[in-house]
Amino acid sequence: DAGVIQSPRHEVTEMGQEVTLRCKPISGHNSLFWYRQTMMRGLELLIYFNNNVPIDDSGMPEDRFSAKMPNASFSTLKIQPSEPRDSAVYFCASSFSGGVSYEQYFGPGTRLTVT
Amino acid sequence: SQQGEEDPQALSIQEGENATMNCSYKTSINNLQWYRQNSGRGLVHLILIRSNEREKHSGRLRVTLDTSKKSSSLLITASRAADTASYFCATDPDGANNLFFGTGTRLTVIP
Repeated sequence: DAGVIQSPRHEVTEMGQEVTLRCKPISGHNSLFWYRQTMMRGLELLIYFNNNVPIDDSGMPEDRFSAKMPNASFSTLKIQPSEPRDSAVYFCASSFSGGVSYEQYFGPGTRLTVT
Repeated sequence: SQQGEEDPQALSIQEGENATMNCSYKTSINNLQWYRQNSGRGLVHLILIRSNEREKHSGRLRVTLDTSKKSSSLLITASRAADTASYFCATDPDGANNLFFGTGTRLTVIP
C-alpha cells in the first residue's frame, strides 16, 4: 500500500495567492483528517470527514480556509487568500472508523511557506 | 482545551537506557494513542490504549494509563539511536477518532 499521499510536498507562494493542498487517503479508509503543525501551536486538527461528509470543521481558522472531499479517494484543502501566518506544515491523515482499531495514518505533509 | 501535555518537553539519554515520557490530559477519554514523528516526516502510530485498560505492551514499548489521574506514560526500553524523534500523545474523548494531540516530547538517544 502506498500510504497517504499528499501533494505538493513543498509550496512557496506570495501573500494573497490561492493555495490548494491535495490528499489521497489509504484505500478502504472512511475517515480523513487535515492537521496543521507549527512550532507555536503544535499539531491542530482543522477538519475531518467521515464517509466524505465534513463532520467537524471547528478547527478551520478562518473563512479563508475551505476543504472538500468529492469522493473517497481525494480531498483538498484550499486557502484563499493566503497570508504569511498560514505558513506551516499541513498533514492529511486517514483511518478506518468502525473497526476495533482507530489509529490514524499520516501523510508526509506539505510544507507551506507564504511570503 | 482538550489538548494533552507531555512531560518532559525534551529528553536526552544514552543508547541502551530506558526513556519515560508522560502525558496529562483534562477530559474523559475513550482511548489514548501515542505517535512518533521523525524530523520532517509525518506522524507514525505506535500504540493505542483504551480507557478500560491500564497497561499495554508492544515490543520495547510499554504504555500505562491512569484515568483517575488523567495521565499516561510511554516507556521505551533499551533505547536505540533510531528512537530519536518527537513523541506525541493524543486523546480521543468519545471514540469518534477526533484526536487531540499533546505538545510532544523531543527524545534524543545518544549513540
